[in-house]
Amino acid sequence: AQSVAQPEDQVKVAEGNPLTVKCTYSVSGNPYLFWYVQYPNRGLQFLLKYITGDNLVKGSYGFEAEFNKSQTSFHLKKPSALVSDSALYFCAVRGALFGTDKLIFGTGTRLQVFP
Amino acid sequence: DAGVIQSPRHEVTEMGQEVTLRCKPISGHDYLFWYRQTMMRGLELLIYFNNNVPIDDSGMPEDRFSAKMPNASFSTLKIQPSEPRDSAVYFCASSLSGSSYNEQFFGPGTRLTVL
Repeated sequence: AQSVAQPEDQVKVAEGNPLTVKCTYSVSGNPYLFWYVQYPNRGLQFLLKYITGDNLVKGSYGFEAEFNKSQTSFHLKKPSALVSDSALYFCAVRGALFGTDKLIFGTGTRLQVFP
Repeated sequence: DAGVIQSPRHEVTEMGQEVTLRCKPISGHDYLFWYRQTMMRGLELLIYFNNNVPIDDSGMPEDRFSAKMPNASFSTLKIQPSEPRDSAVYFCASSLSGSSYNEQFFGPGTRLTVL
């Protein structure tokens, strides 16, 4: 069965420090991976995606993610965190063999960046 | 583009009443998704449509829930009768199919409270 795991419910980091939000997946075939962010009282907002090609994907607001096939991971990173990055982050996966456009979302990781 | 539009933004109703949530996808998008988000269960896919046709409704919790998409620019999610456990934020999302596996665009959500 296809699944996504976000092992940390919450990540806390000081402003200016690098941040990492972890995501691992399990799918049949090649995965299509996404990161979304949700600010309070808002819908989910697309950050970046990996479909194929370069394992390092760059997205909005200075975020990037690294696809690691051997570790089945797609961790979200940012070199220098901002207080405004504080939000709920979701990893999602769609398998190439799904045959549908359905995304499987993780449970979310709450990022808190403190001044 | 105005993005995905949902109405109402907030709905408070009493148990047993009928509730109708509305969604207008982004013009030209051919996929429409309905999600529910709660603290306990996270983000759940309820149903999705392709070209106005329901493709997968396996996430619809029970017969009290129904969804329609009469045309490419409008969809409804109806709960009849509503129960307190239906209280959640309901999101609509749309996407454009194609080989690039485009991301889903989410609306701002409808916060439903059933008393």
